[in-house]
Amino acid sequence: GEDVEQSLFLSVREGDSSVINCTYTDSSSTYLYWYKQEPGAGLQLLTYIFSNMDMKQDQRLTVLLNKKDKHLSLRIADTQTGDSAIYFCARKGSARQLTFGSGTQLTVLP
Amino acid sequence: NAGVMQNPRHLVRRRGQEARLRCSPMKGHSHVYWYRQLPEEGLKFMVYLQKENIIDESGMPKERFSAEFPKEGPSILRIQQVVRGDSAAYFCASSPGQGDEKLFFGSGTQLSVL
Repeated sequence: GEDVEQSLFLSVREGDSSVINCTYTDSSSTYLYWYKQEPGAGLQLLTYIFSNMDMKQDQRLTVLLNKKDKHLSLRIADTQTGDSAIYFCARKGSARQLTFGSGTQLTVLP
Repeated sequence: NAGVMQNPRHLVRRRGQEARLRCSPMKGHSHVYWYRQLPEEGLKFMVYLQKENIIDESGMPKERFSAEFPKEGPSILRIQQVVRGDSAAYFCASSPGQGDEKLFFGSGTQLSVL
């Protein structure tokens, strides 16, 4: 299987919470990241978490890390139409470069 | 403080031609990374450079692809004798250096090979 895996699609209604999930295989991951990519644009860093943390909150974003299960999630509260984008999970191990998942397309329905 | 600048945004080449993609990192950043994104896929690491040094090129194809980051000027990703399979979005990212774990990405160069 892939090093970092995400489900491909998620649809939510405006105002609901979105939860995007990610699993990874390498237990030596030191940092885990969430990036957002809008159509035709580069990747925007949303948030990241160090592997010795289990939660990080930043305004509408909450990151949960279950290191034992190698599971990372991103919760977006009060999802808006402007949140529609592709969300990439990424991990950093001993090397400096990041390894990305294939991305989750979030669609926010009015 | 301008972000990571990539140019051109779009590049069209015919098979067999050369493609040169440029990346200027954020001010104060000395580490540059190149990634490739195929349609509906995630980003795949290609190469990591510091000024005048290639640190990790484990993701670079063995032939036709090269990268540099000279003392002065932007980082260049060069693809010789392009083929249709090289069509992709190529993203550059930069970071300040040791101890800073955040990568900032440019808007990418969309390479189309006819």
